[in-house]
Amino acid sequence: ELKVEQNPLFLSMQEGKNYTIYCNYSTTSDRLYWYRQDPGKSLESLFVLLSNGAVKQEGRLMASLDTKARLSTLHITAAVHDLSATYFCAVDATGNQFYFGTGTSLTVIP
Amino acid sequence: DTEVTQTPKHLVMGMTNKKSLKCEQHMGHRAMYWYKQKAKKPPELMFVYSYEKLSINESVPSRFSPECPNSSLLNLHLHALQPEDSALYLCASSHFFKRRNTEAFFGQGTRLTVV
Repeated sequence: ELKVEQNPLFLSMQEGKNYTIYCNYSTTSDRLYWYRQDPGKSLESLFVLLSNGAVKQEGRLMASLDTKARLSTLHITAAVHDLSATYFCAVDATGNQFYFGTGTSLTVIP
Repeated sequence: DTEVTQTPKHLVMGMTNKKSLKCEQHMGHRAMYWYKQKAKKPPELMFVYSYEKLSINESVPSRFSPECPNSSLLNLHLHALQPEDSALYLCASSHFFKRRNTEAFFGQGTRLTVV
């Protein structure tokens, strides 16, 4: 069974600080996705990572993928309150079979 | 257009009722999914349809019955549900996996309450 684990599960960080969320998965895959979910809302796609060494950046968020280590990271630079949400990584291991990580609930405090 | 439309947005049903959730996309995606999400948990995969055929059933109880009438529509028929089935039900679609990018686009979800 594919396991996708994120850490930390909860993250409270001050505005302006940097932090990294980690996503580890248990099987070979080179399709990894990051999503954001606001309370009571659906999932918004943030990043698509499709090869070893892929790096994508959008605003204060940067995602990377190391398929050999089965690890993806989501780095937050100079956090702002608007980034408060739950972040999920999702792995598509066998093709059209997405499994989500445990989620990281991020709160950015002034 | 990257929209997946789900109806209804909210549904309250009794344990003896029969209801259906509907999902529609017009992105030409040939993979469609149903997920169940409980509060403060990640989405759990329920079903995957590939080219209108059920390809994955994650051991979901038979009181949930999926249907894919055509390449744009996906239904989830509900019957004799239990209160623990109350959750947010999310529909998603993506390209078939032989295309490199299988990024899934999610609908807004149906908030289901079973009473």
